[in-house]
Amino acid sequence: GAGVSQSPSNKVTEKGKDVELRCDPISGHTALYWYRQSLGQGLEFLIYFQGNSAPDKSGLPSDRFSAERTGGSVSTLTIQRTQQEDSAVYLCASSFMEGYEQYFGPGTRLTVT
Amino acid sequence: DAKTTQPPSMDCAEGRAANLPCNHSTISGNEYVYWYRQIHSQGPQYIIHGLKNNETNEMASLIITEDRKSSTLILPHATLRDTAVYYCIVRVVQTGANNLFFGTGTRLTVIP
Repeated sequence: GAGVSQSPSNKVTEKGKDVELRCDPISGHTALYWYRQSLGQGLEFLIYFQGNSAPDKSGLPSDRFSAERTGGSVSTLTIQRTQQEDSAVYLCASSFMEGYEQYFGPGTRLTVT
Repeated sequence: DAKTTQPPSMDCAEGRAANLPCNHSTISGNEYVYWYRQIHSQGPQYIIHGLKNNETNEMASLIITEDRKSSTLILPHATLRDTAVYYCIVRVVQTGANNLFFGTGTRLTVIP
């Protein structure tokens, strides 16, 4: 079946611009996670959604970062006024329910110039 | 979540079994052992998980010691496509348990 998909696969943007990254989770998965991975580094947790509950935003690095999940399915991660340090691969994962194994998308490589 | 310790790198000959160790000496009774891998330029891929008993699926086997302080991921017949960074993660499976903490992992190189 279809896995987690993310778009775009690559995004180059100028410093100060806003970007939106999209994640389509596996159908039927109620939990959705956003991570980012800087070059050569491990994964950094950003935000987590479970069903209709309020998201866990504890990993968001600044108020320039926000995310929403519409209808309990598709999620959008928005970065406002991008900075060069925002350059990374942004990974989305979904799981059947919170606590279950997570399945990752291919990621969006964001480059801020 | 409990801390895990893995060797930074390992080599394995193609066709041989790859045995990747992980120490998790501070694991709690309700924490599971998960293994993921990340092939270059791809998102992490779930491999297997277990609590106490050994587990096997189509990808790998997971051997957990009786005291649960360490485990070994076994790829029975390594192929070149198994070259990746392998992450051992210990975590609780319950409501409110959300993000995964990926350490530095073991970089496995399968050699032709």
